[in-house]
Amino acid sequence: GENVEQHPSTLSVQEGDSAVIKCTYSDSASNYFPWYKQELGKRPQLIIDIRSNVGEKKDQRIAVTLNKTAKHFSLHITETQPEDSAVYFCAASITGTASKLTFGTGTRLQVTL
Amino acid sequence: ETGVTQTPRHLVMGMTNKKSLKCEQHLGHNAMYWYKQSAKKPLELMFVYSLEERVENNSVPSRFSPECPNSSHLFLHLHTLQPEDSALYLCASSQEGAGGPVTGELFFGEGSRLTVL
Repeated sequence: GENVEQHPSTLSVQEGDSAVIKCTYSDSASNYFPWYKQELGKRPQLIIDIRSNVGEKKDQRIAVTLNKTAKHFSLHITETQPEDSAVYFCAASITGTASKLTFGTGTRLQVTL
Repeated sequence: ETGVTQTPRHLVMGMTNKKSLKCEQHLGHNAMYWYKQSAKKPLELMFVYSLEERVENNSVPSRFSPECPNSSHLFLHLHTLQPEDSALYLCASSQEGAGGPVTGELFFGEGSRLTVL
């Protein structure tokens, strides 16, 4: 089955700096790659996703890039703010739907003042 | 209420107890899930129900027993659990297949924090 690896496990950046979280996947058939954010004590929520027919997607300060040849995808957060502090999970799906998602282990991002 | 709600939010039980976790979704979705979230581990999919039929089990121990009486409600019945079962149990829903827009997004509840003594 699919295996998703995520790095780093923890990341500390100063407010205003950029943060990058990287994931690799094993199944070349995977075609849907969402990112979820989980604030402390809260539920995970989808923040951005990308499908295999595009290489990059942006939404304000966050962006996701996908390299299908290398089987890796990354989350980029620019101009980080304290409210970006959370755990971020990447995931991959071979069906393009939520029913077959495989999650990474998560990255705890801490944005310091 | 909107979204996905879970009860109880916290549960402490002994290894010989029987308890149940409840999940309700108000989004009109046709698929519901149970995930287990442990520290430093990926979100582990336990069960998937699509159109009220269980479609995925993922080799979960029989001490966890799901029930999906209709498309809006999902239960996880717990009995003779082990301390290593202590975790956050997350319910989620999504729209799969026909009947609505399929976005691939999972909508999670706040979770039920389970502690097994």
